[in-house]
Amino acid sequence: DTGVSQDPRHKITKRGQNVTFRCDPISEHNRLYWYRQTLGQGPEFLTYFQNEAQLEKSRLLSDRFSAERPKGSFSTLEIQRTEQGDSAMYLCASSLSGGGNTEAFFGQGTRLTVV
Amino acid sequence: GNSVTQMEGPVTLSEEAFLTINCTYTATGYPSLFWYVQYPGEGLQLLLKATKADDKGSNKGFEATYRKETTSFHLEKGSVQVSDSAVYFCALRDPGSGGYQKVTFGTGTKLQVIP
Repeated sequence: DTGVSQDPRHKITKRGQNVTFRCDPISEHNRLYWYRQTLGQGPEFLTYFQNEAQLEKSRLLSDRFSAERPKGSFSTLEIQRTEQGDSAMYLCASSLSGGGNTEAFFGQGTRLTVV
Repeated sequence: GNSVTQMEGPVTLSEEAFLTINCTYTATGYPSLFWYVQYPGEGLQLLLKATKADDKGSNKGFEATYRKETTSFHLEKGSVQVSDSAVYFCALRDPGSGGYQKVTFGTGTKLQVIP
């Protein structure tokens, strides 16, 4: 297993277009997280899945954002009608369940630029 | 709410110099504390962690001690190398987050080590 993988690594899109990102977690990990990192800031939590269930969504996740994990394996994050303020690095992480001491492993991220 | 404050960078040091990156936090209860590192072009990697007061996390020559009385988790290394150049993020996991890895990050401190 090569770790958490995200695709694409980079995406440039025009304002108003829809974009979709994919995250493939470490295969045995049942928990999956999305974070957003803007330039010069730390990552901010967006949402969390346990298996296929989306258990928490941040207020940062406006109604233009939707995340899915249909079979409890890979996840997608879609942004509709992109705005320039959506430009950021979108990070995915995964972990095992079993208490708070299990480590979350991060992917390399998808860098979105909205022009 | 929870928050993490870390010293602003960039921090520029000569090789073999002593490193300290300050981090303080605000949280209810007893959070777990982490340092993550992000090398250029890569995702976040967990560097070290501490889960209770007075614990010392250590890895690759880096150390940090969980100080509840000062709500601090300062990162130290006795002798930095050029390969340590990266962005370092202090972070906490909310003890009330139900055991999953909803993490609050600081803004990051960029470290540049020059030969």
